[in-house]
Amino acid sequence: AQTVTQSQPEMSVQEAETVTLSCTYDTSENNYYLFWYKQPPSRQMILVIRQEAYKQQNATENRFSVNFQKAAKSFSLKISDSQLGDTAMYFCAFGDKIIFGKGTRLHILP
Amino acid sequence: DAGITQSPRHKVTETGTPVTLRCHQTENHRYMYWYRQDPGHGLRLIHYSYGVKDTDKGEVSDGYSVSRSKTEDFLLTLESATSSQTSVYFCAISGQGGLYARYFGPGTRLTVL
Repeated sequence: AQTVTQSQPEMSVQEAETVTLSCTYDTSENNYYLFWYKQPPSRQMILVIRQEAYKQQNATENRFSVNFQKAAKSFSLKISDSQLGDTAMYFCAFGDKIIFGKGTRLHILP
Repeated sequence: DAGITQSPRHKVTETGTPVTLRCHQTENHRYMYWYRQDPGHGLRLIHYSYGVKDTDKGEVSDGYSVSRSKTEDFLLTLESATSSQTSVYFCAISGQGGLYARYFGPGTRLTVL
């Protein structure tokens, strides 16, 4: 069965710092996509970044980047120069039916 | 933002009553999905559709049925609502399905008393 594990239920960092959210997954598939979604207090699910498993180059979207280690089945999200608006729940997800982790609640402190 | 709306946005109902939630898209995407979100569980897939009249079950499909008679609409029905179905329900769409990203609607908060 495919599973996704986010080992950090909650994190807090100071504004402007860099923070890394962890995600590991388990699958027997060879080709798949991985995603990070953000859910702010408004409850809207927002796609932050995605990574294609067959690409070795890590995806980057402005201040957001991933560290994808396929052999280790690890897919962490790095947020640089964190901002107050980054406060949200962050969900790691992957697979053709998109299996979600349970989320990491991130607080950016002023 | 992807053109996805959900109705109603909030609903309170009683145990044993039927409930239908509607998802409407204006993107002409082939794939549509229903998820539920509960504390401690993240999002879990209920049902999905890969075309008009083509649907399949997800991880937590018991007690739910779906229908898709038009590309733009995907209905989720609780035939006889139970308190365990109190949740926030999200619809999502995808142009390619399978390996591709989902874009989510705003969610429906359902409370079953």
